[in-house]
Amino acid sequence: DTAVSQTPKYLVTQMGNDKSIKCEQNLGHDTMYWYKQDSKKFLKIMFSYNNKELIINETVPNRFSPKSPDKAHLNLHINSLELGDSAVYFCASSLKGLVRDTQYFGPGTRLTVL
Amino acid sequence: QQQVKQSPQSLIVQKGGISIINCAYENTAFDYFPWYQQFPGKGPALLIAIRPDVSEKKEGRFTISFNKSAKQFSLHIMDSQPGDSATYFCAALARIQGAQKLVFGQGTRLTINP
Repeated sequence: DTAVSQTPKYLVTQMGNDKSIKCEQNLGHDTMYWYKQDSKKFLKIMFSYNNKELIINETVPNRFSPKSPDKAHLNLHINSLELGDSAVYFCASSLKGLVRDTQYFGPGTRLTVL
Repeated sequence: QQQVKQSPQSLIVQKGGISIINCAYENTAFDYFPWYQQFPGKGPALLIAIRPDVSEKKEGRFTISFNKSAKQFSLHIMDSQPGDSATYFCAALARIQGAQKLVFGQGTRLTINP
């Protein structure tokens, strides 16, 4: 059984479009995250949610809006897509979001903006 | 300064050899140091982690060495195998508003030649 799942796995779209990426975890974790991995493989946190509440919001354009309908889901909606948004986006979760809790990552969504 | 610097960017080791990847940090607020392993097309997965009050941690062929005064830590892979070929990320954890923030190094692409 997949612990952290993301859909879709691949997303190709035109500049200016709006798209969403869905994430679900079946681990019973309280905390979920979104990361962006650029073409150089650099991984950077974007958002962190704990029990549906936004905890961390890094310097991310407000075109990116996370939504947590319940603590098992954290979706990422992106408005007015730009070329620079092309990257692999990873969702992750951890038990309580405590410092030494392991973060479990999803398989990633490769977004290509044309 | 919330950065973690990782080197080398890429590494080629012969089968059976020792792979060594180094990381350095500045922020003394970091208090947990995990290493993640990422295979192509997959999300990062926790490999091994160390607390700052420990100088070394070993799990099988993987060892973390930690030097708190120098703010440096390294991953050693003994008897490296072709199956170890992957991208390795060091990371450091800080606590933000009670939640964890994971800061990644730039990644090392490790290739083990048979």
